[in-house]
Amino acid sequence: DIQMTQTTSSLSASLGDRVTISCSASQDISNYLNWYQQKPDGTVKLLVYFTSSLHSGVPSRFSGSGSGTDYSLTISNLEPEDIATYYCQQYSKLPWTFGGGTKLEIK
Amino acid sequence: EVNLVESGGGLVQPGISLRLSCSTSGFTFTDYYMSWVRQPPGQALDWLGFIRNKANGYTTEYTASVKGRFTISRDNSQSILYLQMNTLRAEDSATYYCARVENYGNSWYFDVWGAGTTVTVSS
Repeated sequence: DIQMTQTTSSLSASLGDRVTISCSASQDISNYLNWYQQKPDGTVKLLVYFTSSLHSGVPSRFSGSGSGTDYSLTISNLEPEDIATYYCQQYSKLPWTFGGGTKLEIK
Repeated sequence: EVNLVESGGGLVQPGISLRLSCSTSGFTFTDYYMSWVRQPPGQALDWLGFIRNKANGYTTEYTASVKGRFTISRDNSQSILYLQMNTLRAEDSATYYCARVENYGNSWYFDVWGAGTTVTVSS
């Protein structure tokens, strides 16, 4: 199975900050990488698919990048509603696998 | 509006079977793969498997940890997704989410999620 590692389990930032969340795959996943946001109430939403394509309705302050084994999600100009846990997920090979999550908090 | 609503969770004893349902609306159910994802308390999301769409024969794929014990099925006449869970263990305690799988070119992603239903396995 492909292991997805989010080395930062929690991150504290100030409103208006630029925040980058990282995700690493145990092998090359050829950009087959999605990002999800889970709010404290459990609601899960898709943010970015195929590394850098923004899902419909997602604010443009979210962006994704990366290649090979290393990927990142960037939130520019952090807003209060961005407080959540962020998960990466690979679909290069079955079984699809998620990272361990990065919890974003306000400083 | 696309909507997914899970049900069937609760407190069950170890060894018992349980079937979860995911009622869907707002889209052509048979066009889509559908998936189950679970999240143990305080832990990460964990993909369980999916069932393919009509064009792909409604076949299934599972992660190894539940293969043979969990079964994903669908009632296409009622647009309902199911997860049959047998011989439940304490480590199956989790919130279970159903999710619609979208395919766009080379991209596969969970574009719509339900709110989840919680299963607690305890004696």
